[in-house]
Amino acid sequence: AQSVTQLGSHVSVSEGALVLLRCNYSSSVPPYLFWYVQYPNQGLQLLLKYTTGATLVKGINGFEAEFKKSETSFHLTKPSAHMSDAAEYFCAPSGAGSYQLTFGKGTKLSVIP
Amino acid sequence: DVKVTQSSRYLVKRTGEKVFLECVQDMDHENMFWYRQDPGLGLRLIYFSYDVKMKEKGDIPEGYSVSREKKERFSLILESASTNQTSMYLCASRRGTVNQPQHFGDGTRLSIL
Repeated sequence: AQSVTQLGSHVSVSEGALVLLRCNYSSSVPPYLFWYVQYPNQGLQLLLKYTTGATLVKGINGFEAEFKKSETSFHLTKPSAHMSDAAEYFCAPSGAGSYQLTFGKGTKLSVIP
Repeated sequence: DVKVTQSSRYLVKRTGEKVFLECVQDMDHENMFWYRQDPGLGLRLIYFSYDVKMKEKGDIPEGYSVSREKKERFSLILESASTNQTSMYLCASRRGTVNQPQHFGDGTRLSIL
């Protein structure tokens, strides 16, 4: 079974600064990897996904993530934070052949004006 | 766009009541999921269904049951509600291959008094 660690339950950045949200998973088999965003009082929305192919994945709202097999990481980045990026972000790996996603505990991003 | 609709956004019930949470998806997805979300714990899988009338226990099935009589509808049942089941409940659906993303409803915030 997969396990996933999101480093930092809360991250604060200034508007216009780099956003970096960390995700590490544990698996001997390369997984499928997803990042989701949750705005207040809403469900989860897919930001981006890695399944196969190019390891740098671009998503919605200017976010991207890089799959690094050697580091078992899938960190989420955005060059310049916007106030509207304030939300909670979840990393979720899925093992090949598994029905289930394993969700990280989430990182709440605050953007300071 | 995929639409996952949960029947209630907010629900208040009393301990010992039988509670039904309904979820409907409009994209003919094979897989459906019920999660509960609690602060600091992320999303935890209660039950999932990979086909009509088929179900599998997730990580925290105790105190819950599910029903999937039609492909588009997946119901979560709290047989005898207790205060520790106060939580946000999220439904999701997915096409029947593990490299596809899950699509979420907006959630039901359930309070058990």
